[in-house]
Amino acid sequence: DGGITQSPKYLFRKEGQNVTLSCEQNLNHDAMYWYRQDPGQGLRLIYYSQIVNDFQKGDIAEGYSVSREKKESFPLTVTSAQKNPTAFYLCASSPHRGGSYEQYFGPGTRLTVT
Amino acid sequence: DAKTTQPTSMDCAEGRAANLPCNHSTISGNEYVYWYRQIHSQGPQYIIHGLKNNETNEMASLIITEDRKSSTLILPHATLRDTAVYYCIVRLTVSGGGADGLTFGKGTHLIIQP
Repeated sequence: DGGITQSPKYLFRKEGQNVTLSCEQNLNHDAMYWYRQDPGQGLRLIYYSQIVNDFQKGDIAEGYSVSREKKESFPLTVTSAQKNPTAFYLCASSPHRGGSYEQYFGPGTRLTVT
Repeated sequence: DAKTTQPTSMDCAEGRAANLPCNHSTISGNEYVYWYRQIHSQGPQYIIHGLKNNETNEMASLIITEDRKSSTLILPHATLRDTAVYYCIVRLTVSGGGADGLTFGKGTHLIIQP
């Protein structure tokens, strides 16, 4: 089955700890993205990557870091510097088809930091 | 990117057509209109997109006015599973690019009534 997987579905951490969220895709897509969603709100872009070994900051990158060592993987680390890390995190990918914004989303990881 | 305006919520009877409006009066000539939906606690799902002409696929139809200042997403025979938040997004598409993420507002919460 082709698609995007995120694990785990629910994640609990203590304040002050770094945590890494996994995102894997087997769609052979060039571009990958991380979004954050807070209750009752839309999605906000954290980081995106158009190609392996390259990534760009989105609108709310502070307190987050990413890597793109393989085409199929784009892990997100939520660092202790992120002031309000509790949120629903969504990963997406997109084929690089000359400007399409047709993005495919994973099921999300709900992170709770106490 | 042009700003979009959508109603906060709408109801529709099961089996009827659901018509979701979106205003984008500041849209420019090379900006596309994209529609996504998000079922509760899941990742968003791409529905359809268009530039000038009306578009139809297996999920929905997109009607864009001649002046392109507004559009309507039509779900022809709504079912209970179509209850979701629907996002209208306007995005500039650059040839060879198009991989720098989307901005999701609050969307329209469509509730299908049995």
